[in-house]
Amino acid sequence: SAVISQKPSRDICQRGTSLTIQCQVDSQVTMMFWYRQQPGQSLTLIATANQGSEATYESGFVIDKFPISRPNLTFSTLTVSNMSPEDSSIYLCSAQGAGWTEAFFGQGTRLTVV
Amino acid sequence: DAKTTQPTSMDCAEGRAANLPCNHSTISGNEYVYWYRQIHSQGPQYIIHGLKNNETNEMASLIITEDRKSSTLILPHATLRDTAVYYCIAPPLRNRDDKIIFGKGTRLHILP
Repeated sequence: SAVISQKPSRDICQRGTSLTIQCQVDSQVTMMFWYRQQPGQSLTLIATANQGSEATYESGFVIDKFPISRPNLTFSTLTVSNMSPEDSSIYLCSAQGAGWTEAFFGQGTRLTVV
Repeated sequence: DAKTTQPTSMDCAEGRAANLPCNHSTISGNEYVYWYRQIHSQGPQYIIHGLKNNETNEMASLIITEDRKSSTLILPHATLRDTAVYYCIAPPLRNRDDKIIFGKGTRLHILP
């Protein structure tokens, strides 16, 4: 199993600013992912965080708005840039190791943009 | 990913078995069916997965039809803590590290 820690757990930010969310896994993993969950909705995949290379973004998400870093096998960050109220959501980190049966998820970062 | 269809919501009385259906008629022969759930204000949690045979673990049982076009997740003795959104997912098997695409899931209410 794996334990995923996300920081911050919540934040209230001014529009036009940026927030960086950290995701720390307690063991080395091959895959890390970032999701967004808008109020009352399901999870939407933003991107796959690739270790040592640029993230792979899903349709509708771009690097300029959601830059992602993954410097090693246990850590990743997601930045929400130039925020607007429409970015108010829960952002979740997920991780999976090679041959693992299941993916593990963090508790999420609840972001409110005012 | 195979397309999955689940009811939007279901109710179940506490102590009874909760049976959550999922249709995955486009599933291919090498695709597993996975179930996750998301309790309010938490991240999703893995429950169980299966390919052809029925599976059981400490959380639930998974019944897969012979043609693999549908499955049922069974929580044998539902408690109030089982109130959650349940997601049925069928990712490709070829890369078990592949991303998970979530559908809308079933919102299960356990009634006291």
